[in-house]
Amino acid sequence: KAGVTQTPRYLIKTRGQQVTLSCSPISGHRSVSWYQQTPGQGLQFLFEYFSETQRNKGNFPGRFSGRQFSNSRSEMNVSTLELGDSALYLCASSSSRDYLYEQYFGPGTRLTVT
Amino acid sequence: AQSVTQLGSHVSVSEGALVLLRCNYSSSVPPYLFWYVQYPNQGLQLLLKYTSAATLVKGINGFEAEFKKSETSFHLTKPSAHMSDAAEYFCAVSGLINNDMRFGAGTRLTVKP
Repeated sequence: KAGVTQTPRYLIKTRGQQVTLSCSPISGHRSVSWYQQTPGQGLQFLFEYFSETQRNKGNFPGRFSGRQFSNSRSEMNVSTLELGDSALYLCASSSSRDYLYEQYFGPGTRLTVT
Repeated sequence: AQSVTQLGSHVSVSEGALVLLRCNYSSSVPPYLFWYVQYPNQGLQLLLKYTSAATLVKGINGFEAEFKKSETSFHLTKPSAHMSDAAEYFCAVSGLINNDMRFGAGTRLTVKP
């Protein structure tokens, strides 16, 4: 079974631009969560989608948004990029909406904003 | 709201020595607790999880953790460190009602030969 895949793996953008990151969950998984990882703030929860509905949202500004498609693939978008948005963005999928079930993480997309 | 605190951002042990990584949690509801490991340039991998069954939880790669409600702790241990254990370890908590997972700041484990 293929793992969680994230594309692209590396991305360089300029301040003010927008970016879209993609996550393909493990086949059959319906829950997808997004996290931002930075040296200063650590791992922070962005949002979670289950069956195309955003179920939970972390404390991030509205520039961060996401969506989930009917095949459970998910995208996150960051508009008007700031230098502080440089981070590793991790996606995780789960077979259930319940965290009793393991989250499987992808390798991440490293975003650099210049 | 729940949170976790990991004591010690860096831990260094000799190969074969005991590994002890500390995690304390704060939660107003019975928590679900997790330990994840992250190797360089990779995502996170679940080591073990506590979901209110047994208080002593055994995970992969010889790791285990004990849930102690009286101490609000969930420390990760391994009797004998191996070079391949060198990585960053994250403690995390999730509540029963809201499912967003909160991670600790991480502990980088170094294993000396």
